[in-house]
Amino acid sequence: QITLKESGPTLVKPTQTLTLTCTFSGFSLSSTGVGVGWIRQPPGKAVEWLAFIYWDDDKRYRPSLKSRLSITKDTSKNQVVLAMTNLDPVDTGTYYCAHSRAEHVVVLNAAFDVWGQGTMVTVSS
Amino acid sequence: DIQMTQSPSTLSASVGDRVTLTCRASQTISSWLAWYQQKPGKAPKLLISKASSLHTGVPSRFSGSGSGTEFTLTISSLQPDDFATYYCQQYNSFPYSFGQGTKLEIK
Repeated sequence: QITLKESGPTLVKPTQTLTLTCTFSGFSLSSTGVGVGWIRQPPGKAVEWLAFIYWDDDKRYRPSLKSRLSITKDTSKNQVVLAMTNLDPVDTGTYYCAHSRAEHVVVLNAAFDVWGQGTMVTVSS
Repeated sequence: DIQMTQSPSTLSASVGDRVTLTCRASQTISSWLAWYQQKPGKAPKLLISKASSLHTGVPSRFSGSGSGTEFTLTISSLQPDDFATYYCQQYNSFPYSFGQGTKLEIK
């Protein structure tokens, strides 16, 4: 059974850096085709894709946030970490991590089949 | 970047109704389209991937169709548990993108 759980601060001040950890079980992020993504949701708004990391350490970012985001993995700890710099109140929302696994190695497209419960982050002074 | 547009934004329906939700991509995404269901305070749940493949454990009253730029999610007979917000997502290419959601309300 695959599970993911997000953790991190609930309140962050503007201009600070947010560090969120996704701790997972039931899969290995060293297995071919596996990836973990981060998605966020401002209060009352739609979900928004932020970043993704593949088993081979290939990383992808939302272009508008690329300069502020960093995604890393620690395979031995079964964790994926998302860092976001220079926070602003508009970054307030629930942050989710989610698992994906491609059906074939040649074609890596995959939906997010299992999500964490999410962690709410408020950016306020 | 690929923009995803869902319609309608809100849909009012009754238990037992057949409803269809629409999702359009700003450029072709083949069949790399997923549908998620989200209830208040909960994470989205995968319903359908690859436009029409029902995810494990999802009731058969849900079905998806389409390819290219036009996609639909159909619920054949609405159940009380189905009233929620539905999102489509393209995973054809990065940056991945979600639609703005369709809120399915009880009439």
